[in-house]
Amino acid sequence: QQQVKQSPQSLIVQKGGISIINCAYENTAFDYFPWYQQFPGKGPALLIAIRPDVSEKKEGRFTISFNKSAKQFSLHIMDSQPGDSATYFCAASSVKAGGTSYGKLTFGQGTILTVHP
Amino acid sequence: GAVVSQHPSWVICKSGTSVKIECRSLDFQATTMFWYRQFPKQSLMLMATSNEGSKATYEQGVEKDKFLINHASLTLSTLTVTSAHPEDSSFYICSARDWTRERTTYNEQFFGPGTRLTVL
Repeated sequence: QQQVKQSPQSLIVQKGGISIINCAYENTAFDYFPWYQQFPGKGPALLIAIRPDVSEKKEGRFTISFNKSAKQFSLHIMDSQPGDSATYFCAASSVKAGGTSYGKLTFGQGTILTVHP
Repeated sequence: GAVVSQHPSWVICKSGTSVKIECRSLDFQATTMFWYRQFPKQSLMLMATSNEGSKATYEQGVEKDKFLINHASLTLSTLTVTSAHPEDSSFYICSARDWTRERTTYNEQFFGPGTRLTVL
């Protein structure tokens, strides 16, 4: 029930195209859904995050769409650029869990995005 | 702001030796730090949650006697891999929460750059 399932495993997009990565979760206690970008040999960096009280959040070229009833959320990268080529991870956590589970992030499996020039 | 550093960035050691990895929050205080392990082309797996001034909480399957975690101050947590073996070779990443920003940024965690451990 703690799993977060991410798809696709890899994605190839042409420059200027839209990249879409999807995640699904089971634990209804999750109430924080961030997306991270990771370049090879580096730590993950927060891209954008959403809470379940909104269905969409946009920051620049990055948009999270959230469907609470379906327990799914997705990342859309508009006007994809070669510099966006990286591994993307969705994650989820719960503040309501409390105790030692407070704030623990559960990560998806990751998506390797390649943007061709 | 909200920078987390790790030292060393990479380390090679012989089997049976111990290795210490430091995680520092440079411009904020972190009551909670997390340690992750990442194998090539895989996701991040949480190893333990480290709270300042108290014992770390380990995830199921993580040997606490092998992966010693100390969080002695609000800006420093250390992970010591004791009696390292080749199967411990991995990318170790820490993250930290800025407790003063929790109310505004909810559960945002800031990640370090990672430490590549290779055990020969």
